[in-house]
Amino acid sequence: EVQLVESGGGLVQPGGSLRLSCSASGFAFSSYFIHWVRQAPGKGLEYVSAISSDGGSTYHADSVKGRFTISRDNSKNTLYLQMTSLRAEDTAIYYCVKMGNGWYEYWGQGTLVTVSS
Amino acid sequence: EMVMTQSPATLSVSPGERATLSCRASQSVSSNLAWYQQKPGQAPRLLIYGASTRATGIPARFSGSGSGTEFTLTISSLQSEDFALYYCQQYSNWPRTFGQGTKVEIK
Repeated sequence: EVQLVESGGGLVQPGGSLRLSCSASGFAFSSYFIHWVRQAPGKGLEYVSAISSDGGSTYHADSVKGRFTISRDNSKNTLYLQMTSLRAEDTAIYYCVKMGNGWYEYWGQGTLVTVSS
Repeated sequence: EMVMTQSPATLSVSPGERATLSCRASQSVSSNLAWYQQKPGQAPRLLIYGASTRATGIPARFSGSGSGTEFTLTISSLQSEDFALYYCQQYSNWPRTFGQGTKVEIK
């Protein structure tokens, strides 16, 4: 069974930093692209970042470019999202998602990030 | 950035009736279109990919159609567990983008 378990969310002040983790199991983690997708409270879904199976290629939405960094450790089956210079508009549930061939195949339960003073 | 527009925003349907949800892309995405269902307090769940292929475990009452810029998700006979939010998503271009969602509520 595919499982994706996010952690690391919490309350952080504007301008602060946070690192999210996503622990994966039940599939060949090192063979798949993984994305972060977020959902602000009461709002829709927004692609945040993506990383290739070997970690050699990374992609970020314009809204987070230069502030967020996606990475992975295939030896630990773990995905990360380092978030810096956080803003109120980054407040959201952050989902770790295993990709199909372009579609979002399996989603974690999400971790809530709240940016507030 | 490709804009995905879903309609209607809210659809009121009685149990057992058919629901038809629409998704329009600002430019052609071919068949690179997926649909997701999200219930309150839960993560989204993949329903359809490739515009018309049901994901594993998805009941046959869910069907997708369309190509290019116009797509439809049809739920043939609504069950109580189908009342939820539905999103479309294109994976033809970067960045991947979602529609704003259609809420299917009990009439």
